[in-house]
Amino acid sequence: AQSVTQPDIHITVSEGASLELRCNYSYGATPYLFWYVQSPGQGLQLLLKYFSGDTLVQGIKGFEAEFKRSQSSFNLRKPSVHWSDAAEYFCAVASRDSSYKLIFGSGTRLLVRP
Amino acid sequence: SQTIHQWPATLVQPVGSPLSLECTVEGTSNPNLYWYRQAAGRGLQLLFYSVGIGQISSEVPQNLSASRPQDRQFILSSKKLLLSDSGFYLCAWKQGLGTEAFFGQGTRLTVV
Repeated sequence: AQSVTQPDIHITVSEGASLELRCNYSYGATPYLFWYVQSPGQGLQLLLKYFSGDTLVQGIKGFEAEFKRSQSSFNLRKPSVHWSDAAEYFCAVASRDSSYKLIFGSGTRLLVRP
Repeated sequence: SQTIHQWPATLVQPVGSPLSLECTVEGTSNPNLYWYRQAAGRGLQLLFYSVGIGQISSEVPQNLSASRPQDRQFILSSKKLLLSDSGFYLCAWKQGLGTEAFFGQGTRLTVV
């Protein structure tokens, strides 16, 4: 069955520290991969996406993610976290077939210490 | 440009009452449409998705149903709400393979 796993429910980092949010997927073939961010009570905003090519992708707000096929992972990173990054982060995968199915992980809530 | 509208923003409904949440997309044609539910600590659960008018795929058996009466309209319904239907409901659309999804602002449903 297709699935997306975000093993960390909560992560707390100090402002200015580096960040890595983990995402692993289980899919029949390499899917399209996404990271979204959600502020409280709001919809989701796309941070970045991987379709093909360079396995290190750059996104908005200084985020990047690396696709590792051997580990079925797509971890999100940021070298220096700002207080405004506190939010919930979701990893998502979309099938490459015509089903157009799009599934999300359970999310990681990021808290930033001043 | 494309926009997605989802309403209402908040809703409080008694147990056993019906439900109708509406989502419409503007500025595009033949979008793929999605309904998700977000419950505390459970991430976004895919409920339904649609690749065309009248075509609905259901992901989980539940007390809800979806319909797509028009190309850019997606409706989430229930005949009788349960307490467990409470949550944050998000509508989304995407255009074809390999594209990102765009989300509405969500509906906070509280069943009392």
